[in-house]
Amino acid sequence: QSVVTQPPSASGTPGQRVTISCSGSSSNIGSNFVYWYQHLPGTAPKLLIYKDNQRPSGVPDRFSASKSGTSASLAIGGLRPEDEADYYCATWDDSPNDFYVFGTGTTVTVL
Amino acid sequence: QITLMESGPALVKPTQTLTLTCTFSGFSLSSSGVGVGWIRQPPGKALEWLALIYWDDDERLSPSLKTRLTITKDLFKNQVVLTLANVDPLDTATYFCSHFHVVLDYFDYWGQGLLVTVSS
Repeated sequence: QSVVTQPPSASGTPGQRVTISCSGSSSNIGSNFVYWYQHLPGTAPKLLIYKDNQRPSGVPDRFSASKSGTSASLAIGGLRPEDEADYYCATWDDSPNDFYVFGTGTTVTVL
Repeated sequence: QITLMESGPALVKPTQTLTLTCTFSGFSLSSSGVGVGWIRQPPGKALEWLALIYWDDDERLSPSLKTRLTITKDLFKNQVVLTLANVDPLDTATYFCSHFHVVLDYFDYWGQGLLVTVSS
């Protein structure tokens, strides 16, 4: 069971804005960067956001992220059918030794 | 161009040791700032990080699995090997290996994944 939690699902209609939350603690999100990955079934995960709010080249600016304290969030603006996927936040945890942790994942459905 | 590919058995019996190999190209695991990690996804469940090995031989293991996990690298073969001892049906999952960019601190290139089933 992950120490970083996300809502199991989120949904929206095309064009809407959807926000996904990611909740952790002082030993992970509170003291480390947050990363966001998009995962479509049967494919390899894709990095969407790194170091809290940075987009790799090629990721549309419809995807944005923020962090405050021990929580983070990913926003998908102008929702498109191809955005239907699982989304995971990820971060390092400092206790007891450094380990990487993925959030519990959120399935986004485009209605 | 960076590519990674997972290989290993598709079926393993409970209590056996699972050995998975990640064969990569397009980078060297002797280059500073490089790592290779393993992540798995049980059917219908979330991604779970397992292990990471760095260019300098440093390694990180999942605390919940560290007593059963080992990760090693072979620079000549461009491979990273993950072993998971005493497997259980709960270890049934798709196993991914991934290139880790240490400076930017993220997994950027991934293999396609290998489904491993643990069953008698």
